[in-house]
Amino acid sequence: SQQGEEDPQALSIQEGENATMNCSYKTSINNLQWYRQNSGRGLVHLILIRSNEREKHSGRLRVTLDTSKKSSSLLITASRAADTASYFCATDGNPGANSKLTFGKGITLSVRP
Amino acid sequence: DSGVTQTPKHLITATGQRVTLRCSPRSGDLSVYWYQQSLDQGLQFLIQYYNGEERAKGNILERFSAQQFPDLHSELNLSSLELGDSALYFCASSVRGEGYNEQFFGPGTRLTVL
Repeated sequence: SQQGEEDPQALSIQEGENATMNCSYKTSINNLQWYRQNSGRGLVHLILIRSNEREKHSGRLRVTLDTSKKSSSLLITASRAADTASYFCATDGNPGANSKLTFGKGITLSVRP
Repeated sequence: DSGVTQTPKHLITATGQRVTLRCSPRSGDLSVYWYQQSLDQGLQFLIQYYNGEERAKGNILERFSAQQFPDLHSELNLSSLELGDSALYFCASSVRGEGYNEQFFGPGTRLTVL
């Protein structure tokens, strides 16, 4: 079963706008990661946030984590056409079972030039 | 380029057949993961190996098996193939195989079962 559930399932925005994607999960986690996948290609790691962190930045990416709500958000600022891809959140399961990542179904982001 | 290589890129076979997918992890990475991605099931974790030993198991069917060799490359064997096994199969690697490790994904093998 999927641990992470992203929403919306699909998002279409204009270049230059910000894109916000959300992920909710069911069980306690150690870490949450976001990955990007261009069509038909392998996933690329974007950012990791630990369960004791609330916010993290990397370039145009901002990730927040609310463990009380079991949710995370990924914000891409000043989006570009090249950001068009699917975005997945992944959680590392229960504390102690620390090696397996469970991915959500992904969000399809389309950035219109 | 992630540094993870997978062969072959495409594979077309018939139901009932057996295939082997191969993965070479990034240099220095000890852990290898296998994933299956299909439209209806999304990205499913199959199995993980760390330094030659099985570390974690996911939704891997009994018809599927994997191993990691002493040189750390891994193979995923799929047997008695069914139409529903058609999917993209990804291999990923990480340094140690802990949940906080970033995983580096290969380009995938697209399997089509006819």
